[in-house]
Amino acid sequence: GIQVEQSPPDLILQEGANSTLRCNFSDSVNNLQWFHQNPWGQLINLFYIPSGTKQNGRLSATTVATERYSLLYISSSQTTDSGVYFCAVDFQKLVFGTGTRLLVSP
Amino acid sequence: NAGVTQTPKFQVLKTGQSMTLQCAQDMNHEYMSWYRQDPGMGLRLIHYSVGAGITDQGEVPNGYNVSRSTTEDFPLRLLSAAPSQTSVYFCASTSQGRIEAFFGQGTRLTVV
Repeated sequence: GIQVEQSPPDLILQEGANSTLRCNFSDSVNNLQWFHQNPWGQLINLFYIPSGTKQNGRLSATTVATERYSLLYISSSQTTDSGVYFCAVDFQKLVFGTGTRLLVSP
Repeated sequence: NAGVTQTPKFQVLKTGQSMTLQCAQDMNHEYMSWYRQDPGMGLRLIHYSVGAGITDQGEVPNGYNVSRSTTEDFPLRLLSAAPSQTSVYFCASTSQGRIEAFFGQGTRLTVV
């Protein structure tokens, strides 16, 4: 089956810093989503982005489907950005990466 | 809209006991699925459903049963709980028209 890898596994930032999270996938996909799991465990959908670029406030995402990767950009990070970021591919049968754990310190 | 509602939020079981994790959604979504999340890992698919009366196995189905008698509900049954089933369980739903998946708040299950 399709493999999904995320990097880096852990990231520590000072508040205000920018970061880039990467998601590589082993096969062509029709669906790619980014999720944020907050420290209370809640999973929040950030982006549905099978290709192209989207922006939502301080967050943006780019997927280059032909090269099988996606990037999540976080600018001017805040402590509330802390948590685990997952990318997931496929449709109703989502395949998740192992996540990037982000800690933003004040 | 409540979205996706899971109950209970926490549960402790003894080995060999059975139980049902409940999942309900009020968004009229066709697709529903169950995942488990273990420490240091992403979510793994247990079972999924593409509509009422239709279910299929995911990556880790052993020890779990599901049914989908209505569009709204998708319960997950543990037949005989084992310590290896200690995990956090998430239910998700997706509509056919919109692609984004919506997740419940999770059920933290401990089997002792």
